[in-house]
Amino acid sequence: GEDVEQSLFLSVREGDSSVINCTYTDSSSTYLYWYKQEPGAGLQLLTYIFSNMDMKQDQRLTVLLNKKDKHLSLRIADTQTGDSAIYFCAENDTGFQKLVFGTGTRLLVSP
Amino acid sequence: ETGVTQSPTHLIKTRGQQVTLRCSSQSGHNTVSWYQQALGQGPQFIFQYYREEENGRGNFPPRFSGLQFPNYSSELNVNALELDDSALYLCASSLDGKEETQYFGPGTRLLVL
Repeated sequence: GEDVEQSLFLSVREGDSSVINCTYTDSSSTYLYWYKQEPGAGLQLLTYIFSNMDMKQDQRLTVLLNKKDKHLSLRIADTQTGDSAIYFCAENDTGFQKLVFGTGTRLLVSP
Repeated sequence: ETGVTQSPTHLIKTRGQQVTLRCSSQSGHNTVSWYQQALGQGPQFIFQYYREEENGRGNFPPRFSGLQFPNYSSELNVNALELDDSALYLCASSLDGKEETQYFGPGTRLLVL
């Protein structure tokens, strides 16, 4: 079945780059997503990538997709304390737009 | 700001009771999905509605049911509440023709005692 895995925790210093990794199992996924969740809040869509792309850049965010290895990463350049949150990787079910989420990576940015 | 609102923000119920959670989406967002997020976990898909018809369901029992209305609002109903139903319930909507982009509301936090 579908499964998405992420490391649980990442700690970086302000100004450094952060790289959050994710692996997924459903090779038929059309889109892969990164969502951000701040404490007590809902999910904010950060970016998504179509499965036939290798890379997508959006301001400080860079998404890399290795479809052969089913590996997705999110790089945040110049990480700020406001980036501290939980980041979820998700894949879609191609039958309909159901999202399958990982357990989330908690990013802690220290000054 | 996603344009998706949910009510109430918090709710406390006791085991065995019934609850109704509400979601309101933007005009043109005919697809709405509901997710359950237990503490420390990622969201789990409950079901999806399109133009008032259920068109997909996750591994949740029939006591989880939903409704979608023509005015872009929807409901999640849970009967016979169990302690494990305590979670953050999220709804997400997407615009016709852009179903790959789901926008989430802030969620309703349900506590079952």
